[in-house]
Amino acid sequence: DAGVIQSPRHEVTEMGQEVTLRCKPISGHNSLFWYRQTMMRGLELLIYFNNNVPIDDSGMPEDRFSAKMPNASFSTLKIQPSEPRDSAVYFCASSLVLAGNYEQYFGPGTRLTVT
Amino acid sequence: DQQVKQNSPSLSVQEGRISILNCDYTNSMFDYFLWYKKYPAEGPTFLISISSIKDKNEDGRFTVFLNKSAKHLSLHIVPSQPGDSAVYFCAALASGSARQLTFGSGTQLTVLP
Repeated sequence: DAGVIQSPRHEVTEMGQEVTLRCKPISGHNSLFWYRQTMMRGLELLIYFNNNVPIDDSGMPEDRFSAKMPNASFSTLKIQPSEPRDSAVYFCASSLVLAGNYEQYFGPGTRLTVT
Repeated sequence: DQQVKQNSPSLSVQEGRISILNCDYTNSMFDYFLWYKKYPAEGPTFLISISSIKDKNEDGRFTVFLNKSAKHLSLHIVPSQPGDSAVYFCAALASGSARQLTFGSGTQLTVLP
């Protein structure tokens, strides 16, 4: 099993540009989570999907952020337009939600730098 | 409002000794707790978990203890090894509602050879 795959691993872009982060969850998992890690706020949940449907996007900072999950094997997180304060490491995680099982498995992250 | 707190940002331990990492929570709805380990430039890796119906869970060198009345959990690593050096995150969720994990701020463990 390849685990959760994220691309790109590093992204450097200029303020105002559109950024798209990609995630492939573990095959068979039915929940997908996007997190952001910063020094100031630590690991915070942005949005999560269950069976490809967004369940809670209350962590999405503002309208510049959007996420989609068109099928069970792919998700994107888009920032448009990007700003320097969006610089962070973005993690995708997936989980097989079963009774009593709540472990989430994380990808390696995408380090985003907005100049 | 930090619902999950790890008050020690760092901890240093000699190889072979016990490492004890602590975590406190405030939300009484939390009933499932997890520990993750994170190396630089990698994603967090699941380590061990515990349900609120238990007060202890053990997996090899790792044991998690839960004190519900104190809203406190701890991770014990015995014996500690240099490869255990990493940031350890405590996480919690309320299984009856949404399945979001709430993370603590992490503790950097350094195991000295």
